[in-house]
This record gives sequence, structure tokens and C-alpha cells, in this order.
Amino acid sequence: EIVLTQSPGTLSLSPGERATLSCRASQNIGSLYLGWYQQKPGQAPRLLISAASSRATGIPDRFSGSGSGTDFTLTISRLEPEDFAVYYCQQYYTSPWTFGQGTKVEIK
Amino acid sequence: QVQLVQSGAEVKKPGASVKVSCKASGYTFTAYYMHWVRQAPGQGLEWMGWIDPRSGGTNYAQKFQGRVTMTRDTSSSTASMELSRLTSDDTAVYFCATDITVSILDYWGQGTLVTVSS
Repeated sequence: EIVLTQSPGTLSLSPGERATLSCRASQNIGSLYLGWYQQKPGQAPRLLISAASSRATGIPDRFSGSGSGTDFTLTISRLEPEDFAVYYCQQYYTSPWTFGQGTKVEIK
Repeated sequence: QVQLVQSGAEVKKPGASVKVSCKASGYTFTAYYMHWVRQAPGQGLEWMGWIDPRSGGTNYAQKFQGRVTMTRDTSSSTASMELSRLTSDDTAVYFCATDITVSILDYWGQGTLVTVSS
């Protein structure tokens, strides 16, 4: 099973700041099988990024993804109030699909 | 528009089984796998497996092998997930989700809270 480790666990930032979230895989998963989700309390996750760097439909361009192999990054260029949430990475390279433990982006 | 509407909250006793349903609309139900993901209170996301609505074929995470059964009813475009021999560790919100536009979970149900308590 591929383990995804996200860091940091919590990111305390102010609106307008840049957020950089990391996701490290326990083995090489290439560049096509990593996604990012945003989840707010009481809601289902929302897909932000697929294939490591492709924004999902309707996702603002302040969200960007990068990386390949074992190291991946989600960047939010300028935090808006609605971006404070928990973010999960997920690999779909092999079964079982696995998620990282999440990074909480909170208001400083 | 694509919609996945799940059944309502359940309260079950330890050792019992629960069946959660997910009614799909707005797309061709048989064309895309339906996945199930769960989230324990305050915890992260855990993938449980998928069902191919066209063939009925399934792929379960090893953790749930022998306890989970995923089925579908193509006449009503409904997928279901049954989990047996429940324990308190199975208390969670259960989501169905599908991969329509990209090969990852881009549409989700609203979630179903399953509480296991004596």
C-alpha cells in the first residue's frame, strides 16, 4: 500500500498570503496519478487538482499543483477567506487508492 | 447536472450490518465506476473500494474484504454499500463518489452518517 505523508499538519496564514502544501509518496507514482481535494466542515471533499497539475472544472487559477515521482505540492497563490479548509492528497496509481492525512489551512 | 444522493443517517448496534445507497442522476450510470470512501469523526479519508456498474465487478480495499459488499441496480441507477459485523470503529460518514470527467473522484454524494453504538 502506498503511504502519502502530508506536511505540515497545520498551516496558519493570513488572507492574501501564499500557501504551500506538501505530499510525499512512499514509492514512485509517476506524474499522472495524484490528486488534491479541499474539504470544509460538514461537506464532501471537492476535487481541486488531478494528474498532479490539472485544475478541475471551475477551480480558480490561484490553485496550482506540481510534482512527480514521490514529491508533490499544492500551492494557493493568494489565500481567499473561503480557502481556509483541510486539504488532502490522494494517489490513484495503484489499488488500494490512498489519501494523505490532510493539511489544515487555518486563519492566523 | 450530475447528482449523487445518498440515503439517510443510520444508527446500528455492534455486530449488525448497514446498507447505504447512492442514487445517481445526470449521467450514464453504467459508464463510470462508483467508489466508496469513509471518514471517521475528526479523521481523514479512507477509500473502501469501487464497483463497476456495467458489469457488477468490484475491487475492495483489503481492510474491508469479507465485510463489505458493493452492489448496483441499473434499473434505478443506484449503487449500494453494505458493511457487516459493525464495531464502534465503523462509526463514520460514508461517501459515494464517481470519476466522470477525470480518472479521480470528481463528483461526490452528500455523505451518510453511520453511528455504531450499543
